[in-house]
Amino acid sequence: DAGVIQSPRHEVTEMGQEVTLRCKPISGHNSLFWYRQTMMRGLELLIYFNNNVPIDDSGMPEDRFSAKMPNASFSTLKIQPSEPRDSAVYFCASTPRIGAGDYGYTFGSGTRLTVV
Amino acid sequence: AQSVTQLDSQVPVFEEAPVELRCNYSSSVSVYLFWYVQYPNQGLQLLLKYLSGSTLVKGINGFEAEFNKSQTSFHLRKPSVHISDTAEYFCAVSPPQTGKLIFGQGTTLQVKP
Repeated sequence: DAGVIQSPRHEVTEMGQEVTLRCKPISGHNSLFWYRQTMMRGLELLIYFNNNVPIDDSGMPEDRFSAKMPNASFSTLKIQPSEPRDSAVYFCASTPRIGAGDYGYTFGSGTRLTVV
Repeated sequence: AQSVTQLDSQVPVFEEAPVELRCNYSSSVSVYLFWYVQYPNQGLQLLLKYLSGSTLVKGINGFEAEFNKSQTSFHLRKPSVHISDTAEYFCAVSPPQTGKLIFGQGTTLQVKP
């Protein structure tokens, strides 16, 4: 299995532009998580899905952020418009099901976003 | 609500010395406990996890951790570290009912020759 695949690995964009981050979870994993990592705030859970349905989006910082999971093999995190304070590494993770601590969570390699 | 506190932001240690990275957590419900490692410019990799049963958990790369319910701690240990263990280490908890994974702030392990 190729693991959790995120694209792009790096993204540099200008303030005000729309940014779309992509994630392909491991086949058969029904739960997907989006995290943001910054020096100041560490790893923050933004949103997670179970069976393609958003379960908890309380970590999404503001309305400029939106996430979708149109099918079991693809999710996007969109920022519109982007701001310099959105600069961070964004991770996607998947697990077979909610509460599957026995399986653990598999993380992608992340997307490093820089907004100038 | 749950929270995780990693007591040391940086831990410098010489190669082949033992190391302990400390983690305390707070939760009103039972949780699963995890340690993840992040090498530079990479994603997070699972080191070990505690779900139930024996309080001493062994993971990859020679790491182990001990769950202490009364102390609400889950400290990570390795008897002899290598240069290649230099990385960021994250302690995390997950309430089984929600599936969320809540991380501590991380501890940077710096192994010196």
